[in-house]
Amino acid sequence: GESVGLHLPTLSVQEGDNSIINCAYSNSASDYFIWYKQESGKGPQFIIDIRSNMDKRQGQRVTVLLNKTVKHLSLQIAATQPGDSAVYFCAEKRGATNKLIFGTGTLLAVQP
Amino acid sequence: EAGVAQSPRYKIIEKRQSVAFWCNPISGHATLYWYQQILGQGPKLLIQFQNNGVVDDSQLPKDRFSAERLKGVDSTLKIQPAKLEDSAVYLCASSLLASGAFGETQYFGPGTRLLVL
Repeated sequence: GESVGLHLPTLSVQEGDNSIINCAYSNSASDYFIWYKQESGKGPQFIIDIRSNMDKRQGQRVTVLLNKTVKHLSLQIAATQPGDSAVYFCAEKRGATNKLIFGTGTLLAVQP
Repeated sequence: EAGVAQSPRYKIIEKRQSVAFWCNPISGHATLYWYQQILGQGPKLLIQFQNNGVVDDSQLPKDRFSAERLKGVDSTLKIQPAKLEDSAVYLCASSLLASGAFGETQYFGPGTRLLVL
């Protein structure tokens, strides 16, 4: 079946380094992708999104890259901080109903 | 603005008992979603409402799960009877525009953590 998944379940980085979290998707018809951050005990929080007609989008300290050729999505976090420690999910919008299909998540651990 | 509110935050029940969760979306948001998040996994959509109508309930186990949004605002999700595998976090989310709007952000509540013993 179609799915959205992540390559690395856990990523450990040093404070101040850049982080890259990867995600693979299988539905080539998907037209919109979102990254969410989920801290312990909280609901997912929107970080950044990207449409399928774009290959890069930048926010504050975050950049999302989309490679439709290989169906790959990545989230880059610059100058990673302890507050960035969380589970990160990529999600794919599917169909006309705004339905989101989430991947399994990557735990980002920032070492001081 | 106030976020999505959910209650209770935690619930422990025994199998075969019933349980209900409540969600109050962000004011003015037309679309409301209920997700199930099993430990270590991403959220999975159970049901989606647009105002008080059901848009998608294809993944809702209808033999035991039910949900309603009678006045197009608050919503309740019920499980009866509960099974061990229902242990999960139940997340409610809402979005401003009607479903289908491109790029419409879903805002999540803190979730209700259910443990079925």
